[in-house]
Amino acid sequence: GAVVSQHPSWVICKSGTSVKIECRSLDFQATTMFWYRQFPKQSLMLMATSNEGSKATYEQGVEKDKFLINHASLTLSTLTVTSAHPEDSSFYICSARDHGQGLAGGSFTLYEQYFGPGTRLTVT
Amino acid sequence: EDQVTQSPEALRLQEGESSSLNCSYTVSGLRGLFWYRQDPGKGPEFLFTLYSAGEEKEKERLKATLTKKESFLHITAPKPEDSATYLCAVRGATNKLIFGTGTLLAVQP
Repeated sequence: GAVVSQHPSWVICKSGTSVKIECRSLDFQATTMFWYRQFPKQSLMLMATSNEGSKATYEQGVEKDKFLINHASLTLSTLTVTSAHPEDSSFYICSARDHGQGLAGGSFTLYEQYFGPGTRLTVT
Repeated sequence: EDQVTQSPEALRLQEGESSSLNCSYTVSGLRGLFWYRQDPGKGPEFLFTLYSAGEEKEKERLKATLTKKESFLHITAPKPEDSATYLCAVRGATNKLIFGTGTLLAVQP
């Protein structure tokens, strides 16, 4: 299967500082990458979708000025948490979509979505 | 609104005791139902994608099936290393993965 990496795997920062998290697709090109957030014992919540070379699309309730997303290449997306506060502490997971074969006669392309190992952010 | 409900929330099995996890869904224009495994402190690991009712996929002790309303993840003769949270997700016309809250599986030796 396809491999997605994240860096760092964990980070502790002081309130008011900014933190950048990198997400890379290692063995495939990902035109679309996703950023999720997961709180303890809860499921993954989509924060934003980014397409290479264009602005990210944020989900309702996610502050785009606080969570800056850059998808500058087909293998790299970054999430910057600006002016972090303790309530931003969470597990952040990126995901990249691989394009599979097209569906004969269909209107969409079959594809899988692979996840990175996650980044644990703690804001003190 | 697309929605995914998984049951049970938690399941404890003895090693070798087969069982099934359920994923019920409502989605507009199903473009795939996905099963992932997530270990504590890790990202989800892809297991299966199912696209149409009647489809089945297998991988080692796991078998996923799909109907128009639900999917089952069957675990045959589980081992302790199968212990994890199993997540179900659907992709519909919005092209976004909508996740359930998962089933926490514990397999005791």
